[in-house]
Amino acid sequence: KNQVEQSPQSLIILEGKNCTLQCNYTVSPFSNLRWYKQDTGRGPVSLTIMTFSENTKSNGRYTATLDADTKQSSLHITASQLSDSASYICVVSSNAGNNRKLIWGLGTSLAVNP
Amino acid sequence: DSGVTQTPKHLITATGQRVTLRCSPRSGDLSVYWYQQSLDQGLQFLIQYYNGEERAKGNILERFSAQQFPDLHSELNLSSLELGDSALYFCASSSIGLDTGELFFGEGSRLTVL
Repeated sequence: KNQVEQSPQSLIILEGKNCTLQCNYTVSPFSNLRWYKQDTGRGPVSLTIMTFSENTKSNGRYTATLDADTKQSSLHITASQLSDSASYICVVSSNAGNNRKLIWGLGTSLAVNP
Repeated sequence: DSGVTQTPKHLITATGQRVTLRCSPRSGDLSVYWYQQSLDQGLQFLIQYYNGEERAKGNILERFSAQQFPDLHSELNLSSLELGDSALYFCASSSIGLDTGELFFGEGSRLTVL
């Protein structure tokens, strides 16, 4: 069964600290993996999209890694800011012929406190 | 601003009623997706349209229907509403196919069924 699991479910850190969010997936065949940031009550915003051949991708203070062998991805946030408080969602795209779908994780809720 | 416009932003109605949510995709985007997000839940894919035709179907109830018009805007119709239909409904658009196109989300329509 295609699944995307994220951990931790929630996380509280102090402003300025770093943190790493995890994503494990059992999706086949794999097409790409995306990380989205969703502020409370707002639409998700794309942070990164990684294909099979990409191991690391950065977007400012956000760095995503992908290990296609172990089917794991992480999102590292450096020097966190209060505005980083949001839900971070891992999404894996599966491409099986004409059956293409996105499998969404439940997200990690991050709170950055002053 | 993602360029995706959703109306209305908020909607309160009673059980048994019918509502229509509207989405205008980014200029030039041919694909429109509809998602449902209940309180503290992940995004649930409902349906996708591409250039006016239904492309993919997710967990969309029979009471719900959607269409994409020649000008590429889309409407999601929800009928015989139940309390459990209360949720945020997001529309997203992309220029091309699911596995290569980045999704751009609107700000959502918050539906409350009393």
